[in-house]
Amino acid sequence: TQLLEQSPQFLSIQEGENLTVYCNSSSVFSSLQWYRQEPGEGPVLLVTVVTGGEVKKLKRLTFQFGDARKDSSLHITAAQTGDTGLYLCAGAPGYALNFGKGTSLLVTP
Amino acid sequence: ETGVTQTPRHLVMGMTNKKSLKCEQHLGHNAMYWYKQSAKKPLELMFVYSLEERVENNSVPSRFSPECPNSSHLFLHLHTLQPEDSALYLCASRPPGGTEAFFGQGTRLTVV
Repeated sequence: TQLLEQSPQFLSIQEGENLTVYCNSSSVFSSLQWYRQEPGEGPVLLVTVVTGGEVKKLKRLTFQFGDARKDSSLHITAAQTGDTGLYLCAGAPGYALNFGKGTSLLVTP
Repeated sequence: ETGVTQTPRHLVMGMTNKKSLKCEQHLGHNAMYWYKQSAKKPLELMFVYSLEERVENNSVPSRFSPECPNSSHLFLHLHTLQPEDSALYLCASRPPGGTEAFFGQGTRLTVV
């Protein structure tokens, strides 16, 4: 099993602050995905990164795939309360989609 | 709304009960998955079906029994569960050749 380590595990910030969360592995992935999960719901895909060094932007969210395709980061600019949730990274070695434990983000007013 | 529907959303069952979880998608996806999500643990892959054939079974106890009668439906049959099986059970599907998973809203299972 290709393990994905996410950090930090928990993060509590105020509205307007910036933050970065990380997803690391010792294995190379052909692609990595980021999902966001709200309480009582299933994860929803945010982005897929495929090319080493790739940077993708989704409004205030910036995703980066490491050059060696072993790690990824998610940066949120000027966080809002609606960004609260569990952020999961995932990689797919074959049929399976393996997930990290996630970063639980709480944004307070 | 991802197009993957799970029923029921909530289920409370005794340890001697038999129940089934249902997952349905009409997205044309050909791979379907069951995941278990417990507190403080990563999403645990339980079963993978591709083209209605089970291709992965991650050492799941036999009290969990999956069924995939066609590419649009997936079931998880439950019997003689333990309290530690209480969790959020998530179904997901993937399109042919795709890497992204589309999840249902999950079934919150409580075993008493």
